[in-house]
Amino acid sequence: DTGVSQDPRHKITKRGQNVTFRCDPISEHNRLYWYRQTLGQGPEFLTYFQNEAQLEKSRLLSDRFSAERPKGSFSTLEIQRTEQGDSAMYLCASSRRLAGDHEQYFGPGTRLTVT
Amino acid sequence: SQQGEEDPQALSIQEGENATMNCSYKTSINNLQWYRQNSGRGLVHLILIRSNEREKHSGRLRVTLDTSKKSSSLLITASRAADTASYFCATRETSGSRLTFGEGTQLTVNP
Repeated sequence: DTGVSQDPRHKITKRGQNVTFRCDPISEHNRLYWYRQTLGQGPEFLTYFQNEAQLEKSRLLSDRFSAERPKGSFSTLEIQRTEQGDSAMYLCASSRRLAGDHEQYFGPGTRLTVT
Repeated sequence: SQQGEEDPQALSIQEGENATMNCSYKTSINNLQWYRQNSGRGLVHLILIRSNEREKHSGRLRVTLDTSKKSSSLLITASRAADTASYFCATRETSGSRLTFGEGTQLTVNP
C-alpha cells in the first residue's frame, strides 16, 4: 500500500510565474483534498474532489488558483501569477468512505517559495 | 479560518513523562482527528474519535472527547524523544468533508 505522493517536494519560483503541483492519492481512495500550511500554523482547507468532481472550494482559493482531477486519480494544483504571499507548504490528502469517517491520509507536501 | 485551538502552544517534558494536549472547537462535528507533524514534513494520522464516542485508545495514545464542552484531549503516555513533533487536532463537521485544523501544540521530549 503506497501512500499519498506529491511532486515536486520543493519549488522556488519568481513572483509572477505560474507553478503546477501534482498529487497521487492512495489508489483505492475516491476523495482527494488540497490544504495549504504556512509556518507555525495548522493546515487550511483549499478544495476537495470526489472522483473527478470538485465538490467544495474554500474562499482562500482565489481566481489565480485552479485544481483538477481529470480522471478521478491524480490531481494538479496550479497557481498563476504567483505572489510572495503564496509561499507555503501545499499538502494533499486522500480518503475513502469507511463507516462515514473519511480518515484523511496526507502526502509529504510541496514547499513553495516565491522570491 | 481556524476552528480549533490547542492548548498549550508549546510543551517541554522529560522522556518517560506523560504529555497532555487539549483542543477546543466551535461547531457540531462528525469526528475529531489527531495528527502529528515532524518539522517540515507531512502529517501523520494518529487517531480518530467519532462524535458519539467519549474515549479511545491506541498504543500509548488516549483521546477523550466532550461534545458538550466542544473539547478533546490527547494523552501520550511514557513519552519518548521520538515523540517530539507538532500535534494538531482537526474536526470534520457534520456537513461537509473538509478538516478544520487548530494551530497545534509543539511537543519537545528531552532525553
